[in-house]
Amino acid sequence: EAQVTQNPRYLITVTGKKLTVTCSQNMNHEYMSWYRQDPGLGLRQIYYSMNVEVTDKGDVPEGYKVSRKEKRNFPLILESPSPNQTSLYFCASCKVSSGANVLTFGAGSRLTVL
Amino acid sequence: KQEVTQIPAALSVPEGENLVLNCSFTDSAIYNLQWFRQDPGKGLTSLLLIQSSQREQTSGRLNASLDKSSGRSTLYIAASQPGDSATYLCAVNTGNQFYFGTGTSLTVIP
Repeated sequence: EAQVTQNPRYLITVTGKKLTVTCSQNMNHEYMSWYRQDPGLGLRQIYYSMNVEVTDKGDVPEGYKVSRKEKRNFPLILESPSPNQTSLYFCASCKVSSGANVLTFGAGSRLTVL
Repeated sequence: KQEVTQIPAALSVPEGENLVLNCSFTDSAIYNLQWFRQDPGKGLTSLLLIQSSQREQTSGRLNASLDKSSGRSTLYIAASQPGDSATYLCAVNTGNQFYFGTGTSLTVIP
């Protein structure tokens, strides 16, 4: 089954404790991206990657890091989490094409930082 | 920067009604526009994608239109059902980035 898999789905952590949220897709998509969803603010893009070893900042990159060493994986790293990073996070992927690139989303990762 | 707005924020209709959800965006330089459905606590499911050269797309009871020059898209849902209750989001693709509206929360009352 074609899918985007995120782990963990739920996580409670404390301020300053480094964590990684993994994202993997099995559709050979070039494009991968991370979003956070907050009430009243909608989905905002954190980072995106057009292909292996190519990453770029979205609208809210502060406090996050990413890497794209393999085509299928795009982990989101919070080096020193803070309470304002408590949010629902989504990973998504799509092919890079001329305009028919349907975004496929993971199920989401709910993160709470105490 | 692209700004995407969805009106109304919430909508409640009786079962069987036809309804229209609205999406507007500020920059007409887009590759495509997608409509998604999100159920509570779940991920987003793509419903329809309209490329910038297209005017509309249809899937079953759903019809989405795009007027790029005026920065507007509509999602038309025919003969609404309780199972249509969800939040509907639109997103515009500018090439490298996707910009989302805050969604319309739809409740269809049996």
